[in-house]
Amino acid sequence: QKEVEQDPGPLSVPEGAIVSLNCTYSNSAFQYFMWYRQYSRKGPELLMYTYSSGNKEDGRFTAQVDKSSKYISLFIRDSQPSDSATYLCAMVNAGGTSYGKLTFGQGTILTVHP
Amino acid sequence: EAGVVQSPRYKIIEKKQPVAFWCNPISGHNTLYWYLQNLGQGPELLIRYENEEAVDDSQLPKDRFSAERLKGVDSTLKIQPAELGDSAVYLCASSPVTGGTGELFFGEGSRLTVL
Repeated sequence: QKEVEQDPGPLSVPEGAIVSLNCTYSNSAFQYFMWYRQYSRKGPELLMYTYSSGNKEDGRFTAQVDKSSKYISLFIRDSQPSDSATYLCAMVNAGGTSYGKLTFGQGTILTVHP
Repeated sequence: EAGVVQSPRYKIIEKKQPVAFWCNPISGHNTLYWYLQNLGQGPELLIRYENEEAVDDSQLPKDRFSAERLKGVDSTLKIQPAELGDSAVYLCASSPVTGGTGELFFGEGSRLTVL
């Protein structure tokens, strides 16, 4: 079993839809949580970063962390065609010999069609 | 501000040949990472440097892969000899934060095809 599980999709939605992307994890040492966006043939870029349970909002994006359930989500409101990309969840190990190691999920391919 | 620069962007080689990738991180970023990304997968860490020191190379296949970061700036990742299974994108990233808890800035990657 992988430490981080992410549904690869693909996910296709109409413009303006609310998108929900999710990851689950098994390692309790994960304490920092991130979402990266990766356009085709580009490197990932950071979208959201949080280290506590609860919600964090940035424009149309909301990151949600539930440490008790080991579950994180990214919500995109009023989705746009420009949001079409692969979304990667990532988690940082804050304990033990793997301190500082960043582990990525598989990535979810999102397409927003006009 | 210039981002992370990687070269070459694309490389096609035959199996058993050597190949090298180069990375120039963002100025002032002391932490540098090499990741491997297979098609349809998330990036997987190969090695992390803090300045010149490799602080995590546990996932680097040392029989054929090597890396160096001389003077704590640019870095080179080498594969010798390359195998068919090495076909992937090799991503370099840097961070202004040590300890691995900060934001990573990625380059565009070097796409390797081994024939």
